[in-house]
Amino acid sequence: AQTVTQSQPEMSVQEAETVTLSCTYDTSESDYYLFWYKQPPSRQMILVIRQEAYKQQNATENRFSVNFQKAAKSFSLKISDSQLGDAAMYFCAYEDFGNEKLTFGTGTRLTIIP
Amino acid sequence: AAGVIQSPRHLIKEKRETATLKCYPIPRHDTVYWYQQGPGQDPQFLISFYEKMQSDKGSIPDRFSAQQFSDYHSELNMSSLELGDSALYFCASSLQGVQPQHFGDGTRLSIL
Repeated sequence: AQTVTQSQPEMSVQEAETVTLSCTYDTSESDYYLFWYKQPPSRQMILVIRQEAYKQQNATENRFSVNFQKAAKSFSLKISDSQLGDAAMYFCAYEDFGNEKLTFGTGTRLTIIP
Repeated sequence: AAGVIQSPRHLIKEKRETATLKCYPIPRHDTVYWYQQGPGQDPQFLISFYEKMQSDKGSIPDRFSAQQFSDYHSELNMSSLELGDSALYFCASSLQGVQPQHFGDGTRLSIL
């Protein structure tokens, strides 16, 4: 079974600074998707960014980018120019190609310091 | 744009009662997923449906059942409720083979 590990239960960053959240996963598959979801205090699940495993290029969405290292099974999220609205729980998630259930990590709670 | 609609938003039940949670997917989405998120935990996959047929099953208790109807909405039926069933229940939808899943705002179920 696939597993997703987030080793940082909590992180904090000064407003306007950059922070990187770590995620590793374990799979025997070669085709899969990886996601970062944000869950603010409202408890909504908001997609931040996604990466297809067959793509070597790292995904980028505005201030959010990933460092995808397929051989190392690592998928970190970098948030640049951190804003107060970025404060939330961040979940890394894995999905097999063709088997669409999401497997989540345990989450990293991000605090933004004004 | 239309999103995934879940109802009710909040539900309070007592032990041994039953509950029904509803999910209305994004129009034209044919796949629905249910997840359970306990307090302080990550979401856990329960069950999914594609074109009204169960497509995958996760850690869903036998006391729970679900189905997808002809209009693609889905219902999660929960019986003999236990204190441990208190959680946030998410529904997500997608078009088969097209990522990502889109989540609803969840139903918060509290068991007294």
